[in-house]
Amino acid sequence: DAKTTQPTSMDCAEGRAANLPCNHSTISGNEYVYWYRQIHSQGPQYIIHGLKNNETNEMASLIITEDRKSSTLILPHATLRDTAVYYCIVKNTGNQFYFGTGTSLTVIP
Amino acid sequence: GAVVSQHPSWVICKSGTSVKIECRSLDFQATTMFWYRQFPKQSLMLMATSNEGSKATYEQGVEKDKFLINHASLTLSTLTVTSAHPEDSSFYICSAKGQGLAKNIQYFGAGTRLSVL
Repeated sequence: DAKTTQPTSMDCAEGRAANLPCNHSTISGNEYVYWYRQIHSQGPQYIIHGLKNNETNEMASLIITEDRKSSTLILPHATLRDTAVYYCIVKNTGNQFYFGTGTSLTVIP
Repeated sequence: GAVVSQHPSWVICKSGTSVKIECRSLDFQATTMFWYRQFPKQSLMLMATSNEGSKATYEQGVEKDKFLINHASLTLSTLTVTSAHPEDSSFYICSAKGQGLAKNIQYFGAGTRLSVL
């Protein structure tokens, strides 16, 4: 599975959009991009995933570049409860997830 | 989304004893479940993949005799940490693969914090 690169940490003002980037330059054609988040001392929570089209759900939007080598998770109106570690994972439809180090997002009042 | 329940959420045991952790998919049948371990300030590390009715597949470096995994039904997988030692103290998390439209999504339990004294 392709490796991902994410910034170690980011801050975002409450109420503003949080844009979390992920680089996956070695992604292959059948690999999906997944985003999960982990609030302290809890299990990871699924946010969104996509293959090549942009995706939106009630939690977030996922923007994937045309060459699929990078993507951005957008939380449109960040709240304090969005403070968490966000993981970008690239994998095919096989089973395993391998987590990287993620981005620690802090939403500031 | 689908719900995965993990029990217990927190356990303390003496060195040398065994501890069993349960992972249940509450509203769907999970043919595949996964077990992860997470040390403080680190990311999740996949330990093993568990398929219902067959032996688990362990990641490199994970001792299968130390971490016994059973997946006897479509809604239950268990992880037993045998002869636990202080270095086994960690946060253990299970996940289950969804079905149908959610078949490519893993849903995670809340985790079990194990402290070995």
